[in-house]
Amino acid sequence: DAGVIQSPRHEVTEMGQEVTLRCKPISGHDYLFWYRQTMMRGLELLIYFNNNVPIDDSGMPEDRFSAKMPNASFSTLKIQPSEPRDSAVYFCASSLPPLNRAYEQYFGPGTRLTVT
Amino acid sequence: LAKTTQPISMDSYEGQEVNITCSHNNIATNDYITWYQQFPSQGPRFIIQGYKTKVTNEVASLFIPADRKSSTLSLPRVSLSDTAVYYCLVGDQYNFNKFYFGSGTKLNVKP
Repeated sequence: DAGVIQSPRHEVTEMGQEVTLRCKPISGHDYLFWYRQTMMRGLELLIYFNNNVPIDDSGMPEDRFSAKMPNASFSTLKIQPSEPRDSAVYFCASSLPPLNRAYEQYFGPGTRLTVT
Repeated sequence: LAKTTQPISMDSYEGQEVNITCSHNNIATNDYITWYQQFPSQGPRFIIQGYKTKVTNEVASLFIPADRKSSTLSLPRVSLSDTAVYYCLVGDQYNFNKFYFGSGTKLNVKP
């Protein structure tokens, strides 16, 4: 299994530009999560999907952020327009449904975003 | 939301056993305790999970006292490659939006 795949691994863009981050979850996983990690705020859950449907987006910081999951094998996180404070590492994770409350998430390698 | 408190950092030497304790005084009845490990420039990786008493796998052991207000991750005979940040999470597995990673514990293993 290739694990969770994210692209690009690094992204440098100028303020005001649109940024699109991509994620391919592990095949068969029903849940997909987007996280953001910064030194100041740690690892924050932005949004998660179940069977391609967004369930909770309360962690999305602003309307500039949007996420989609058009099918079971692909999701995007878009920032438009981007701002310097969006600079962070963005992780995608996927998981199976909890089984007898046993549960673990599988994280991708992350996308390091720098907005200048 | 059962937030957690962990030491910010710990130092150890190769070959030693390391115990990282996490405090979670407000843990709810349905909450499980989960530990993740994160290496630099990588995403977190699941280590171990438990509800009560003791859980052991090939990587670590997790000790949970009867009141469940704390838990201890035990890493036997650490090596330099165990240098990482360790996160303790407490939450109901059916409420993912309540997962809180916190700041974690930075473990530094020295030769």
